[in-house]
Amino acid sequence: SQQGEEDPQALSIQEGENATMNCSYKTSINNLQWYRQNSGRGLVHLILIRSNEREKHSGRLRVTLDTSKKSSSLLITASRAADTASYFCATDSFYGGATNKLIFGTGTLLAVQP
Amino acid sequence: GAVVSQHPSWVICKSGTSVKIECRSLDFQATTMFWYRQFPKQSLMLMATSNEGSKATYEQGVEKDKFLINHASLTLSTLTVTSAHPEDSSFYICSATGGGTSYNEQFFGPGTRLTVL
Repeated sequence: SQQGEEDPQALSIQEGENATMNCSYKTSINNLQWYRQNSGRGLVHLILIRSNEREKHSGRLRVTLDTSKKSSSLLITASRAADTASYFCATDSFYGGATNKLIFGTGTLLAVQP
Repeated sequence: GAVVSQHPSWVICKSGTSVKIECRSLDFQATTMFWYRQFPKQSLMLMATSNEGSKATYEQGVEKDKFLINHASLTLSTLTVTSAHPEDSSFYICSATGGGTSYNEQFFGPGTRLTVL
């Protein structure tokens, strides 16, 4: 399977704390994206980092990418109860055609306690 | 912009019946649409990729005769689950890409929850 792996599988923290999720993948990539999914809902795109970038920020989100280790991390600072959701990484690899497929990681379920 | 809708949002059907799920790009032309399946507490698994006007490309292990995909226009793709069985119960999510960005960003629909009794 080409599916990436994320850890931890589940994370419970208190409001105000930082949350860090890690993603490892298996193939060479064009970019890596992070998505959020509230229970039973669709996906929300959070941030994209290209293969030639090492770190990217967006609001309270910080993403790092280490292509030598085929890994990425998502840091959510000053977490809020509303951040409670599942978070998925997804890698975009070029498969030789015009269409790039996304391969999703296994996901991290984040629970932020008020 | 870049809104993708799915219909229905949830459906319950009897075993052996067929169910059609629609995926529409509302404000852009989707040259490519993707169909994913997500079982409870699991990740999204790509089922197939469809380009407008051509046959869908299915991922390994996905039965093309069971999951019929039609992408007849640049704004509509349909997934038909034929002869549905309880094990087909899942959350089906589509996404669409229409270019316009340097990385062919996929825009996701809200998903359809299928329950087969």
